[in-house]
Formats: sequence, structure tokens, C-alpha cells
Amino acid sequence: EVQLVESGGGLVQPGGSLRLSCAASGFTFSSYAMYWVRQAPGKGLEYVSVISSNGGSTYYANSVKGRFTISRDNSKNTLYLQMGSLRAEDMAVYYCARVGIVGATTGYFDLWGRGTLVTVSS
Amino acid sequence: EIVLTQSPDFQSVTPKEKVTITCRASQSIGGSLHWYQQKPDQSPKLLIKYTSQSFSGVPSRFSGSGSGTDFTLTINSLEAEDAATYYCHQSSSLPHTFGQGTKLEIK
Repeated sequence: EVQLVESGGGLVQPGGSLRLSCAASGFTFSSYAMYWVRQAPGKGLEYVSVISSNGGSTYYANSVKGRFTISRDNSKNTLYLQMGSLRAEDMAVYYCARVGIVGATTGYFDLWGRGTLVTVSS
Repeated sequence: EIVLTQSPDFQSVTPKEKVTITCRASQSIGGSLHWYQQKPDQSPKLLIKYTSQSFSGVPSRFSGSGSGTDFTLTINSLEAEDAATYYCHQSSSLPHTFGQGTKLEIK
């Protein structure tokens, strides 16, 4: 089955760190760029970061630049998001999403995970 | 950053009604506009890619149109299962951005 499964969310104190993972299965993970998109409780969708299929290019939203790091391990079919200096406004469900075109770094998201909730609170 | 503004924010509609949701971009994005449906406690699902191309498995009552800065998602003959929030998304430039969402309630 083609799917993405996020993990690693949880409760963290302001200023703390957390690493999210996104396990891919059912498709050739190394052929696709991957994104992290988040959704604060009751709010809309927000782009967080993107990584190219080979991991050579990464981009970040200004709101997380310098605090978050996206990476991937194509041998393990896994995407990561290392989150640091967490703030209350980072609290959200974090989704990983696949760009629907092989080799492209941008485009539509044809496959989404179910998300993992990050709660930032003391 | 390209801002996407959807209208309306909320709409209450009856089954079999035709629904139109619009998405306006703050600058031209060509045809790089996509639409998603999100039901409560679920992840978004792709409906329409590149303005008007239906994604595999999406019912034919969903269609998209537009270009440049103005785009439309149309749902013909609304069904009860279409109750959801709908988002537009631009991939023309980074950062990707989304509209604020349009919540459809079925009467």
C-alpha cells in the first residue's frame, strides 16, 4: 500500500526540541521531493519545508528558518524534521506530503500522511 | 510571498446544489493552483491539480477552472459526503501558500 506514516510528535516545553519522522512505503521514495506542512488547531494549512528527491536542496518557511532542519534517508525510506527552539506558535499537526511528479521539487501534493501532533506547552 | 484569498469562508448548502468556491492570488501564478478537500480529523486529499486536471478517483462533479490570479472550484450536484473544508494551494513559487479554507456545511 502506498502510504506515509508520521511519528515523533508529543508534548515539549517552549525552547525544547523534537524530531519528527515520516516513513514511506509502497513507492520509490528516492524519486520524490517531500514536504512538511503543518496545521495549527482549528487553523489552515501552512508550508514548513521541502527537500529534493536526493536531499541536495532544502527550503524553509521564514517562520522556521534557523530552527528546523529537514532531511531524508533514502536507504530507510524516511523523511525527518528536526525541530528546535520550539515556540507556542509551532504547536500543530505536522503532515508529510509527497510532490506528485517524479523528480520535481515543486507541484501538487498527491499523498499525505495522517499527521503527528506537536504540543508546545510548559 | 503569494497570498491566496478564498471566498466564501463558510457556506451552508443543500444536497444537489451547485457550489462555487473562488481563490484569488495576490500575483499571477499561471496555472499552478491545486485544490484539496479536508474532512474533520483527516489529512487533506487532492481533488484538482494544475487548475483543472482532476486527480485520479475524484468524482466527476468536482471541476476547476481559471488562470493567472483567479481560480474556481465547482462542485456540481453536491452530495452529503462533500461536507468538508476546501483549500487552494499555489506551487508557482516558494514559499508554497494555501488559501484560508472554505468550510461547506450540508443542510
